[in-house]
Amino acid sequence: GNSVTQMEGPVTLSEEAFLTINCTYTATGYPSLFWYVQYPGEGLQLLLKATKADDKGSNKGFEATYRKETTSFHLEKGSVQVSDSAVYFCALSPYGGATNKLIFGTGTLLAVQP
Amino acid sequence: DSGVTQTPKHLITATGQRVTLRCSPRSGDLSVYWYQQSLDQGLQFLIQYYNGEERAKGNILERFSAQQFPDLHSELNLSSLELGDSALYFCASSGTGTSVSEQYFGPGTRLTVT
Repeated sequence: GNSVTQMEGPVTLSEEAFLTINCTYTATGYPSLFWYVQYPGEGLQLLLKATKADDKGSNKGFEATYRKETTSFHLEKGSVQVSDSAVYFCALSPYGGATNKLIFGTGTLLAVQP
Repeated sequence: DSGVTQTPKHLITATGQRVTLRCSPRSGDLSVYWYQQSLDQGLQFLIQYYNGEERAKGNILERFSAQQFPDLHSELNLSSLELGDSALYFCASSGTGTSVSEQYFGPGTRLTVT
C-alpha cells in the first residue's frame, strides 16, 4: 500500500544552520508529493509540492526534489530562522484512481534556536 | 488564511454524546476532505466528498458519518463518542479531485471527550 516515512524528530538547530528532513515513500505509479508545515496552534499549510519525477518544489527558501529512483522527497533549507520552528509533514497523493487523499508521514518537529 | 473555515474551534463533550463539525470550503472548491490528527494515530484521512458525492473513505469509524450539501459545505457527525475520539479534526478543500490538486486546510476543530 501507500505510505510515507519521515525522520524522527525533534530536530534542533541553531539559526542559519542547514536543514535536511528526510522523507521516503512507498507507492505505485507516480504519486504527487507534498510538504506541509504546521505552526503551533494552527492548521496545515502547503509548503511545496512536486507532481512528477525530477520535479523540484520550492518556496520560502525550502526545496525538495522528487527522486523516483530512491523514492525520496527530502526537505532542505540552506539557512533556517527561528520563525521556521514548526512541525513538517511529508505527504503523498496516490496516482490516478478516484481520490487524491493525502497520506501523511508522522511529522518532524523542528526547533530553531537563536 | 487558507479560505477554509471550520466551526466550532473547540468542543468539549461527554462520552456517549453526538457532535457535528462544520466546514466551508474555499470559494469554488468542489472537493472536501476530513482528517483526524491524534497523538497516537498521527494525521489520518477519514473521508472525501466531491460535488456532493462521497469519493473515498479512509479510516473512518462506523460511528462517524459525513455529508456535503448543495452549497458545498460539509459536516462531520461523530456519535457515541469515546475518550479515544479526542483529537484535532481538520477539513481541507481542493478545486478538483485529481492527484495534482493541492489541498487547503482549515484551522481545525479540537474535540475533547471527557
